[in-house]
Parts: sequence; structure tokens; C-alpha cells
Amino acid sequence: QKEVEQDPGPLSVPEGAIVSLNCTYSNSAFQYFMWYRQYSRKGPELLMYTYSSGNKEDGRFTAQVDKSSKYISLFIRDSQPSDSATYLCAMSGETGRRALTFGSGTRLQVQP
Amino acid sequence: GAGVSQSPRYKVTKRGQDVALRCDPISGHVSLYWYRQALGQGPEFLTYFNYEAQQDKSGLPNDRFSAERPEGSISTLTIQRTEQRDSAMYRCASSPTGETYGYTFGSGTRLTVV
Repeated sequence: QKEVEQDPGPLSVPEGAIVSLNCTYSNSAFQYFMWYRQYSRKGPELLMYTYSSGNKEDGRFTAQVDKSSKYISLFIRDSQPSDSATYLCAMSGETGRRALTFGSGTRLQVQP
Repeated sequence: GAGVSQSPRYKVTKRGQDVALRCDPISGHVSLYWYRQALGQGPEFLTYFNYEAQQDKSGLPNDRFSAERPEGSISTLTIQRTEQRDSAMYRCASSPTGETYGYTFGSGTRLTVV
């Protein structure tokens, strides 16, 4: 079993919909949680960064972390066709270790 | 530079040959990371530098893989005696300090071993 599990999708939604993307993880040492967006043929780019449990909002994006359930979410409001990409969750925080452990990514398609 | 620059963009090599992949991080970034990304998967950690010091190489698959960053800026990932299973996208990332988890990734080098 992978340390970080993420549904690969694809997830297809109409423009304007609220999108929910999720990851589960097994390593209770993880404390830092990130969401990256990756467009086709590009490198991942950081969207959201959260430390420990709680919510964080940035424009149309909201990241939630529930450490008790080992579950993280990214919500996208008023989704746009330009949001079509692969969304990768990533996490770290093991003592002395700076490496990120990524999920396999969820492909999102927002239909105009 | 403005972003993380990787070269070459594409590399096709014959099995058994050595390859060297180059990464030029964002100017002034202390930390540099190498990841490998298979098609349809997330990046997988290989190794990490702070300045010129290799801090963690636990993700290197075997001793055919090595990396260096001799002057604390440009880094080279070398794969000796390449095998077909080494075919993947190799991505470099950098961050301002070792405390930052929000990396900036480069566009990667697509390695194909034939």
C-alpha cells in the first residue's frame, strides 16, 4: 500500500462547479501538506501549503487537513476550464527529512 | 535565472550508456531537489542538497545513480550503465531555504533508454 493514496480520475465537471479533490495517507508523522497543479508537459506548481490540521483559503481554493482521519482535501469554487490539470497532493514532516511524498495525482477536466 | 532550468529537455540513450542531467536552480536558492516522475504518477524523491552538501540520498534507487552540486548552484544527476527501467521524467526543484516545502519545479528532462 502506498503512503499517499489519491484517486487518479479523470474527474469531469461543468464550468462553475465546486470541485473536491482528496488524498488519504498512512504516515502519522506527516505535518506539512501541499497541493500542486500540473499542466500537461509542465512541472508541478505549488497551489496551497498547510501546516498541521485546519483550513486555509486562497481565492477560489480551500485546503483542508484532518490529521485525525489522515485525510486532506482541496476545494475549487467556481471552476474554470483553465483549472483543467492534474492535481497532486504532497506531504512531509518526518523529523530531519525534507523529501516530499506525492500522491499519484487526480486529472481534472472542467468542461466549458 | 527566472526559473529552474533543466537540460537537455529530451535525452535518448542506448542501454548501458552513461547520462548526465543538468539542473540550474533559481538564483540564490539554497536547496535543490531531484525527483523522478513516471507517466501517470507523482514525483518520487531521489536526493536533496543544501548548498553543496548532499543532505539526503535515500531515494536514489541504486549505486548507478549519483548527484553532485559542487559549487552550491548547478547540479548534475548522473546515471551510469543506463537500463530501460530508468526511462522517466527527471525533475529538479529548488527552494529558498531548507525549511521551505514549496518548491519550484523545472520542466524536467525526459530520459528514454532504448
